[in-house]
Amino acid sequence: GAGVSQSPSNKVTEKGKDVELRCDPISGHTALYWYRQSLGQGLEFLIYFQGNSAPDKSGLPSDRFSAERTGGSVSTLTIQRTQQEDSAVYLCASSLVGGARGEAFFGQGTRLTVV
Amino acid sequence: AQTVTQSQPEMSVQEAETVTLSCTYDTSENNYYLFWYKQPPSRQMILVIRQEAYKQQNATENRFSVNFQKAAKSFSLKISDSQLGDTAMYFCAFTINFGNEKLTFGTGTRLTIIP
Repeated sequence: GAGVSQSPSNKVTEKGKDVELRCDPISGHTALYWYRQSLGQGLEFLIYFQGNSAPDKSGLPSDRFSAERTGGSVSTLTIQRTQQEDSAVYLCASSLVGGARGEAFFGQGTRLTVV
Repeated sequence: AQTVTQSQPEMSVQEAETVTLSCTYDTSENNYYLFWYKQPPSRQMILVIRQEAYKQQNATENRFSVNFQKAAKSFSLKISDSQLGDTAMYFCAFTINFGNEKLTFGTGTRLTIIP
């Protein structure tokens, strides 16, 4: 596709369950970022991928959160043993190397609700 | 650490009028990029305008312009001839000009254009 695609668009899960959120970046974009947007807040950085490597995982809030990227393309963010405070919109963005000199393109996010 | 502050949680303006959204930031870096992103109800973040810190000239994109005051660490967005489609959340963001270009966001301003 032409843009960044995220799935699912919405996810409702029970507390304690594991969830996987998927991001398909724009083809050829080597940099990929995950952000979290809690209700009424700005976006909070979670993790940065350059190719398949994650040189910056500093934003992951706990060891329940993990992410991987394969083939320099699709990325999956996994949240284990979900808690109610994990409820948020999870946004993915991709860019070319040196994206600030270009642009970071965002997907439409996954709204996660933990009940 | 970098921080971005948006002190106006909500603003409203009549259609066709001009509105200015405020943003201040804090950093010890000398080279960086500043951005304004728009987030409509669709949740997708859309880049409105970008400013390189080393450029003294203020960026403009059609009806959108910025007032970049580097010494004051201020980066305001002016929207001229506002339109109903400008109704959205607006986020100010910041990134360092090398390597990992993760964005640091403010908490946003909800802008409503009144018909």
